[in-house]
Amino acid sequence: QVKLVQSGAEVKEPGASVTVTCTASGYIFTSYAMHWVRQAPGQGLEWMGWIDAGNGNTKCSQRLQGRVTFTRDTSASTVHMEVRRLTPEDTAVYYCARDGILGQYWGQGTLVNVSS
Amino acid sequence: QSALTQPASVSGSPGQSITISCTGTSSDIGGYTYVSWFQQHPGNAPKLIIYYVSIRPSGVSSRFSGSKSGNTASLTISGLQPDDDADYYCSSFATGSTYVFGTGTKVTVL
Repeated sequence: QVKLVQSGAEVKEPGASVTVTCTASGYIFTSYAMHWVRQAPGQGLEWMGWIDAGNGNTKCSQRLQGRVTFTRDTSASTVHMEVRRLTPEDTAVYYCARDGILGQYWGQGTLVNVSS
Repeated sequence: QSALTQPASVSGSPGQSITISCTGTSSDIGGYTYVSWFQQHPGNAPKLIIYYVSIRPSGVSSRFSGSKSGNTASLTISGLQPDDDADYYCSSFATGSTYVFGTGTKVTVL
């Protein structure tokens, strides 16, 4: 069965960077893109972008462009999402979600807390 | 890309039907059939309940139905049950190979 397992919670200071990892199993990794979605405490869902796991092409939301990078490691069936120049407004639960149908499969979420 | 517009809250009594609207533009909802709806209970990841405007994934109750007209999509929950008390989000594929979520609707079962 499809399974997406994310790395653990992170606490970062403002200005730092964070990388969240999503490890996929149960399907052919390179056949599907992976989305990243985040949710600030008490707030709604925000689509961050996606990476084509086959060719590595990426697309980032306009709001986050220039500060977020998506990469993948096909040998390990993992995708990575890096956010740079963190501010307290980046405090959120970050989810990976497989494409095919966006939202059919989700990771468990990774809490990133940005605080001094 | 602006978030799709949903009502902040909708409520109903058990057994009643409610409808949640999701309004976008011709660059998202109006231009594509890739509209989805998600249910989210506190502390949990979102759960897909409708995709491609009106299709239910396997295992999702037939009490959930979706539709679209122009730039507005709608989710109807019939025969409201206590477990339907949750947050609901719409999403749509959008111009530029992007996606956008709705602002979210809190459904309260009275």
